[in-house]
Amino acid sequence: GENVEQHPSTLSVQEGDSAVIKCTYSDSASNYFPWYKQELGKRPQLIIDIRSNVGEKKDQRIAVTLNKTAKHFSLHITETQPEDSAVYFCAALGDGGNNRLAFGKGNQVVVIP
Amino acid sequence: DTGVSQDPRHKITKRGQNVTFRCDPISEHNRLYWYRQTLGQGPEFLTYFQNEAQLEKSRLLSDRFSAERPKGSFSTLEIQRTEQGDSAMYLCASSLVSTGSNEQYFGPGTRLTVT
Repeated sequence: GENVEQHPSTLSVQEGDSAVIKCTYSDSASNYFPWYKQELGKRPQLIIDIRSNVGEKKDQRIAVTLNKTAKHFSLHITETQPEDSAVYFCAALGDGGNNRLAFGKGNQVVVIP
Repeated sequence: DTGVSQDPRHKITKRGQNVTFRCDPISEHNRLYWYRQTLGQGPEFLTYFQNEAQLEKSRLLSDRFSAERPKGSFSTLEIQRTEQGDSAMYLCASSLVSTGSNEQYFGPGTRLTVT
């Protein structure tokens, strides 16, 4: 099955700086890659996603890039704010198109005011 | 609130007892998923339904676990003879299967503690 890994596990950034989280995946047939933000005690919230037919997608301060050859994708948060502090999970849609998402272990992002 | 809802939000039970959780998906969504999340980990897939049909079950879903979606709307997840290792957050998600759509939206989860 699909195996998704995230690095680094914890990331601290100064408010206003950029944060980058990278994920790698194992199944070259995966074609959908969402990112979820989870605040303490709350549900995972879909913040951005990308499909394998594009290399980059941007939504205001958030962007995702995909490198299919290297099998990695990254989340970029610019002009970080304290409310960006959360755990971020990447995921990949596994084989067979069955909508089974395989998640990474998550990255704790801490934005220091 | 028109999002995914789950009930109860918290459940404390003694080892060996049975528990049942409920998930109400977003109303027009035809797919419903169950995940389990433990501390410091991402959600792990358990099972999913398309309408009332249970299409896939993970190896994580032992025979003590059963899920139903009898009318293709809400779903229940039952755990029989609970064990301490079952303690986790049980998350439900739903999606609308259509051309090019894969987005899954999560509910708030049911936190299970087995003592």
